[in-house]
Amino acid sequence: EDQVTQSPEALRLQEGESSSLNCSYTVSGLRGLFWYRQDPGKGPEFLFTLYSAGEEKEKERLKATLTKKESFLHITAPKPEDSATYLCAVRSHTGANSKLTFGKGITLSVRP
Amino acid sequence: GAGVSQSPRYKVAKRGQDVALRCDPISGHVSLFWYQQALGQGPEFLTYFQNEAQLDKSGLPSDRFFAERPEGSVSTLKIQRTQQEDSAVYLCASSSTGEGSYNEQFFGPGTRLTVL
Repeated sequence: EDQVTQSPEALRLQEGESSSLNCSYTVSGLRGLFWYRQDPGKGPEFLFTLYSAGEEKEKERLKATLTKKESFLHITAPKPEDSATYLCAVRSHTGANSKLTFGKGITLSVRP
Repeated sequence: GAGVSQSPRYKVAKRGQDVALRCDPISGHVSLFWYQQALGQGPEFLTYFQNEAQLDKSGLPSDRFFAERPEGSVSTLKIQRTQQEDSAVYLCASSSTGEGSYNEQFFGPGTRLTVL
């Protein structure tokens, strides 16, 4: 069974204070690791997909990296508008299914 | 529309009532997914359609939950005889290609169901 664990559960940063969010996973053949951002009262918003160990992707202040066991979402010089819950999800090779298995999310608060 | 839309956005039901939640996927998207998100948790898979075929319903928590997508576009998630534990946000997502694809899923805003 696919499993995703995210840490820490919550993170409070000062504006400009860089940090990283962790996503550890176990899957039977990875078919993609996904990062989403979710604002209160809204659906998850797609950020990145990573497919193989060593891959990196960037978007503005965010950079996602992937190893065989975990992924990191690095936030450089965050701003208050980066405050949200960040969800990590995996899709595996097992079964005839494209479902995503999500972690519980990390709630990020950035203080001005 | 440009994105996935869901209706209603909020639904309050008395215990025992039946509810129907609607999802309009992005036009032309082959795959459609339903997820359930409890407060403070990540979304959990309920069921998956490729066009009108329901390929996986392993995540549906009981036989009170039923989903359909008769014409391969709009989908409805129906919950019969609602219980308090059904209270959650129900998210719909769509993806442009079918089984075997690596494409990302795009989510709607969700329907928040509260069962009293």
